[in-house]
Amino acid sequence: ETGVTQTPRHLVMGMTNKKSLKCEQHLGHNAMYWYKQSAKKPLELMFVYSLEERVENNSVPSRFSPECPNSSHLFLHLHTLQPEDSALYLCASSPSYRLSGELFFGEGSRLTVL
Amino acid sequence: QKEVEQNSGPLSVPEGAIASLNCTYSDRGSQSFFWYRQYSGKSPELIMFIYSNGDKEDGRFTAQLNKASQYVSLLIRDSQPSDSATYLCAVNKAAGNKLTFGGGTRVLVKP
Repeated sequence: ETGVTQTPRHLVMGMTNKKSLKCEQHLGHNAMYWYKQSAKKPLELMFVYSLEERVENNSVPSRFSPECPNSSHLFLHLHTLQPEDSALYLCASSPSYRLSGELFFGEGSRLTVL
Repeated sequence: QKEVEQNSGPLSVPEGAIASLNCTYSDRGSQSFFWYRQYSGKSPELIMFIYSNGDKEDGRFTAQLNKASQYVSLLIRDSQPSDSATYLCAVNKAAGNKLTFGGGTRVLVKP
């Protein structure tokens, strides 16, 4: 596999469910990101990990919980979400945190919260 | 005032013409500037970045930066139907800082 892969591609969950999004990068990059893309709104940065340490938590509600077990894998754990959390969640990586503008995105996980 | 502003479009361009996209930003401390292309139903893809005032050319794409006026633009020469997409402008204050995206400009290239 190459690039940045995300699973699942589509997810439907109720407000009381717990689910996780997974991201894996095969580019040898040292920084990984979660972005949220909602209709009619710009891409929003949620979390940044550099060398497995969280360096940004962009005022994201605690119902979103990231995990970065190593520099190739990133998870976003979801629990008690709200319908307004329905969006496309994009994982990205960059060669380093210093090059945070040069992002390689995965295909995204489309989340629908009922 | 939005941190990064783009006209949402759609910008309709005849095939073979030049598409001109503009982006303005509010933070004078911004240091690096990026253009991403996003096809419908796909994820964004980096196509250009520029760090210094002036022009930077890559194939049919030219990025132009004017820090004094706080704008960055993207020109697409000889536009093709395959250039039809949403183009996202993104701005970084300094290396490692948060990348802030604009809302994107939708471009339609008509044969």
